[in-house]
Amino acid sequence: DAGVTQSPTHLIKTRGQQVTLRCSPKSGHDTVSWYQQALGQGPQFIFQYYEEEERQRGNFPDRFSGHQFPNYSSELNVNALLLGDSALYLCASIPGRGRYEQYFGPGTRLTVT
Amino acid sequence: AQKVTQAQTEISVVEKEDVTLDCVYETRDTTYYLFWYKQPPSGELVFLIRRNSFDEQNEISGRYSWNFQKSTSSFNFTITASQVVDSAVYFCALSEPQTGANNLFFGTGTRLTVIP
Repeated sequence: DAGVTQSPTHLIKTRGQQVTLRCSPKSGHDTVSWYQQALGQGPQFIFQYYEEEERQRGNFPDRFSGHQFPNYSSELNVNALLLGDSALYLCASIPGRGRYEQYFGPGTRLTVT
Repeated sequence: AQKVTQAQTEISVVEKEDVTLDCVYETRDTTYYLFWYKQPPSGELVFLIRRNSFDEQNEISGRYSWNFQKSTSSFNFTITASQVVDSAVYFCALSEPQTGANNLFFGTGTRLTVIP
């Protein structure tokens, strides 16, 4: 049983650019959450997708958007990148919307220069 | 508002010593869940335990044990006979289902270094 996968592993972008990160949840999991983890900090909740819709959102600007596909995989898009967007972006796979076990992927390390 | 505090930023112990990682939380909800996650250098968060607010029984799993005390809003994690493989950053997290959400609020983590 494959775990949560994320791509790419590392990414370097320039200020003002746009980036797309991808996540494939565990088999049978239909809910995906995204978290941002700045260096030396705990992960912060960005948003959650279920049934191809954004269901919950943390305190992040509209530059952060996402999408969920019919196969439950998800994308995180960040527009107009800022230096402060440099972080590890973690995807969490959840068995169902009302469930509380969250299984994390290895993350995508984004560096904005 | 919810908050999770891990006051210990970094801890170093010698192998085979016991170590306790502290976690204090704040929430207005009567129903909530508490979690501990381990983050090794690879970056992936590894789930260790979930505890709901109605279950104050302490739990032991091998060398790991957890002490949940609602009276002091604490959920501490003890590693007995620490090993080098325990070196990682450990996060305590809170979830508040009464808001209809199941997202996690994390503390800032405690970096544990076990010296051989």
